[in-house]
Amino acid sequence: QVQLVESGGGVVQPGDSLTLSCTASGFPFSRYNMHWVRQTPGKGLEWLMIIADDGDGSYYADSVQGRFIISRDNSKNTLYLHMSNLRTEDAGRYYCARDVNWNYDYWGQGTLVAVSS
Amino acid sequence: QSVLTQPPSASGSPGQSVTISCTIDSDDVSGYNIVSWYQQHPGKAPKLIIYEVNKRPSGVPDRFSASKSGNTASLTVSGLRAEDEADYYCSSYAGLHKRPFGGGTKLTVL
Repeated sequence: QVQLVESGGGVVQPGDSLTLSCTASGFPFSRYNMHWVRQTPGKGLEWLMIIADDGDGSYYADSVQGRFIISRDNSKNTLYLHMSNLRTEDAGRYYCARDVNWNYDYWGQGTLVAVSS
Repeated sequence: QSVLTQPPSASGSPGQSVTISCTIDSDDVSGYNIVSWYQQHPGKAPKLIIYEVNKRPSGVPDRFSASKSGNTASLTVSGLRAEDEADYYCSSYAGLHKRPFGGGTKLTVL
């Protein structure tokens, strides 16, 4: 079955960097575009970025453009989120999600990021 | 730029029907038919329950239905059950590969 497992979350200070991973299984990872979505405490869902199935092309929400970078290693079935210059407002749960025809059809359970001085 | 607006809360008694709206304000008209809905129970990941405006993935009960009229999409939950109590989010394509979500609606089953 389709599984997405995020990891790499933790507690960091403002200005720090952090890299999250999302390991996929149960489907041909290299054939799917992938997203990162976050959910901030007590708030809703926020789309952050998408990467093409072959890694050639990515698009970002304005809130993270220039600070976050999405990448993937199809040989390892793994999606990455490289976060830099973290702010307190970046704290939340980060989900990876698979894209099928413009929908997020499978989600991981998320990994938690806390940003605090 | 695209904004999706949902009511913050909705409620209904078991067996009743409840409709949640999602108003789409987008400069990209072509995105209007790419509307999906997600259900999220507390502490759980979101789950796709409606895609392409009104289609249900396999396994989603037909108590969940959706439609779109003009720039407003709607999700209807019929025959409310206790397990339907959750947060519901709409999402649409907003051009330039952006996929925003609505602010979410907390559905309470009374």
